[in-house]
Formats: sequence, C-alpha cells, structure tokens
Amino acid sequence: EPEVTQTPSHQVTQMGQEVILRCVPISNHLYFYWYRQILGQKVEFLVSFYNNEISEKSEIFDDQFSVERPDGSNFTLKIRSTKLEDSAMYFCASSVTGPNTGELFFGEGSRLTVL
Amino acid sequence: SQQGEEDPQALSIQEGENATMNCSYKTSINNLQWYRQNSGRGLVHLILIRSNEREKHSGRLRVTLDTSKKSSSLLITASRAADTASYFCATDEVQGGSEKLVFGKGTKLTVNP
Repeated sequence: EPEVTQTPSHQVTQMGQEVILRCVPISNHLYFYWYRQILGQKVEFLVSFYNNEISEKSEIFDDQFSVERPDGSNFTLKIRSTKLEDSAMYFCASSVTGPNTGELFFGEGSRLTVL
Repeated sequence: SQQGEEDPQALSIQEGENATMNCSYKTSINNLQWYRQNSGRGLVHLILIRSNEREKHSGRLRVTLDTSKKSSSLLITASRAADTASYFCATDEVQGGSEKLVFGKGTKLTVNP
C-alpha cells in the first residue's frame, strides 16, 4: 500500500542551525502539507502546497520556514535558524484532492530536538 | 478561532465497553474527519462525514454530525485494547476558500484489557 515516507525519523540540532526535513508523498497525490505537534499537544497546521506553490500557511510558518518540491517527488520543509521552541514532531501529509473533499495521508513524522 | 475541540480530553474504559468522543467546531464546514494516532506515530484517517450527512458507519465506528450544533461524535463499539490511541477530529473551513484541515486537541483513549 502506498505511503508517505519521512526522513530523518529523529534529528537533534543546535539552536540557530538550519534543518531540512524531507518527505516523499504518495505518487499520484497533488496536495502536500506540513503539520507539527509539540509533545502531548495538538496537531498544528503549518503550510499547504499545491501546483508548485504555497496555497495556505499559518502564523507559525514565518520567514524562518520554507517549503520546496525540488524534483517532483520530494517535498521538503526547511527551518533556517532553529529555535528551542521549534522542538516538535513534524508530520508531512498528502492528498489526492484538497482537504475540503478528501482524506489526508500522513507520514510517521520527523522528531526535531533543538538544544 | 479554534476549530475542533474534543471532549473528554482523556477516557479510560474496559475492553468490550463502548467509547464515545465528542468534537465541537466553530465555522461552517464542508466535511469533518476523524483521525487516530498511536503514541509517537503518524495520524491515520478513520472516517470522513460530509456536511450534508448526519451519520456514517465504518466497522465498529459510528460518526454523527449535527451541523446546527456544530458538533460531531465518534462512537467505538465493543472496544479492544488495540483501540488505545488518541483520536482527533479535523475540519476544513468553508469561508475564505481555506486549503487546510484544522485538528482539535484530541481525546486520549485507554482501553484496559
């Protein structure tokens, strides 16, 4: 069964360092998303991406964050200069249609620890 | 505004009992979805109910939607220890052509063997 894959599963970084989280969405999906979940808390929307551009982003997704689909298969989230409060589980998701009509398929997440 | 608030925050039951979780939301929606998350894992889609539907079943799951009260419930019948997980409702937002699903805080369900 096709699945969304994310790498790395866990990354530890120093404050101020750049981090790139990678995702391979399901191949025929057109919509891509990043969410994050701080330990024990709610799942927060970061950004949605469709047709090679950001379709929506949250207040969390400030200038330190960027997304890219560099080669038609990978979907990356870059955090330019990490802060302690960026420590969280980051989930990538994809869907065939937009969220107002269909389900999202999530990866297993990348745990980011900022020291 | 805060979409998708589940209650209770935590629920502990015995195997074989039914578990009911509720979700309230604030804005008009196209659909409401329920997801499950095992500890430390990704979210898995359970069921989607459209705004013009009132009830939907999938196996041991029953979801209701009351758009007049802006609320939904998820019922898991004959629960099993393997149902232990967090359950989240998620809604889209009709207004403004939103392209996101907004998740609630979740209900942590523990099913004791």
